[in-house]
Amino acid sequence: NAGVTQTPKFRILKIGQSMTLQCTQDMNHNYMYWYRQDPGMGLKLIYYSVGAGITDKGEVPNGYNVSRSTTEDFPLRLELAAPSQTSVYFCASSYLGDRGYEQYFGPGTRLTVT
Amino acid sequence: QKEVEQNSGPLSVPEGAIASLNCTYSDRGSQSFFWYRQYSGKSPELIMFIYSNGDKEDGRFTAQLNKASQYVSLLIRDSQPSDSATYLCAVGDNYGQNFVFGPGTRLSVLP
Repeated sequence: NAGVTQTPKFRILKIGQSMTLQCTQDMNHNYMYWYRQDPGMGLKLIYYSVGAGITDKGEVPNGYNVSRSTTEDFPLRLELAAPSQTSVYFCASSYLGDRGYEQYFGPGTRLTVT
Repeated sequence: QKEVEQNSGPLSVPEGAIASLNCTYSDRGSQSFFWYRQYSGKSPELIMFIYSNGDKEDGRFTAQLNKASQYVSLLIRDSQPSDSATYLCAVGDNYGQNFVFGPGTRLSVLP
């Protein structure tokens, strides 16, 4: 299993541009998440999905959109990029283990908006 | 607003010593508790999870949970320089929909 994969690894955007961060998992996990991590900080939940066709906002959803058409894919769309969206973005997936949900992370996308 | 707090550190311990990392959380309804290790420039890696009060041991790692005090800790025995990383505490519910992460504690193990 490749686990959770993310593309691209790095990206530089100009203010006002748009882009899609890709996330794919091959573990057949129902739950998927997008987080952002600013320097020296913990992770903030942007959006999550409990299954194909179902998405919901997390703590910091403004400026982002998501879709979940398949179990495997959970792309994150940035519209009208702003410098405040400069961050490292992590995608994660989880499954219901013996006692609860355990999250596994992709390698991250480092985004700079200038 | 659900909050998870950790000392930001850095916490420095000599090689071979016990490192103790602490975490408190605000939501009494939290049901699952996780410790992640994150090396610089890398993604978080799950190293321990605990759901019940008490201790859970896995190799050199012991997680301790006290729901009454809303406190969870991670002990690392026989610390190695390779343990030098940021340790993130995360708290979740029973439904997989609400994970809240602390800011992380940076651990430095000195040879």
